[in-house]
Amino acid sequence: GEDVEQSLFLSVREGDSSVINCTYTDSSSTYLYWYKQEPGAGLQLLTYIFSNMDMKQDQRLTVLLNKKDKHLSLRIADTQTGDSAIYFCAESRTLRFGGSYIPTFGRGTSLIVHP
Amino acid sequence: DAGVIQSPRHEVTEMGQEVTLRCKPISGHNSLFWYRQTMMRGLELLIYFNNNVPIDDSGMPEDRFSAKMPNASFSTLKIQPSEPRDSAVYFCASSPTSGSRSYEQYFGPGTRLTVT
Repeated sequence: GEDVEQSLFLSVREGDSSVINCTYTDSSSTYLYWYKQEPGAGLQLLTYIFSNMDMKQDQRLTVLLNKKDKHLSLRIADTQTGDSAIYFCAESRTLRFGGSYIPTFGRGTSLIVHP
Repeated sequence: DAGVIQSPRHEVTEMGQEVTLRCKPISGHNSLFWYRQTMMRGLELLIYFNNNVPIDDSGMPEDRFSAKMPNASFSTLKIQPSEPRDSAVYFCASSPTSGSRSYEQYFGPGTRLTVT
């Protein structure tokens, strides 16, 4: 299987909460991320969580991390049509060379918000 | 800051032609990454540079692909000869290797390549 897995599509009604789920395989992950890609654009970091945390909240976004089950989720409260995009889950560890964090990305979940 | 700059934004070429994609990373970022995005394979890391030196090119699909970073502000990804299966969106990303944002990658807008 793939290192980072997530469902490909999620459809929600405007105003509802969206929950996007992700599972990963590497127990030594240091950072776990959610990136957002809008049509015709590159990925942009939406939020991240350090591996020693189990929850992070940032305005409408809540990230939950279950290290035991290697499960990451992103909850978007009061979902708006402007939230329609592809959401990528990713995990990373520090590499030996250069100290850069190299994310391993999932395939992305297309969030469709309808009125 | 202007962000990561990629050119061209769109490229249409015929099979067998050489294609060169260009990237200017964010000033001060030490790491540069080239990715390819397709529906079939998702987002694939092709190559990664640190301080202008290629560190890991294991994702480069075959010898037709080559990447260079002659200085800290410029990188190219070349495909020669191009094939229809190379059609994809190619992203360049840069990242600092120190400081409070070293965990984050900053993506360019991508180059959509179509090989006919």
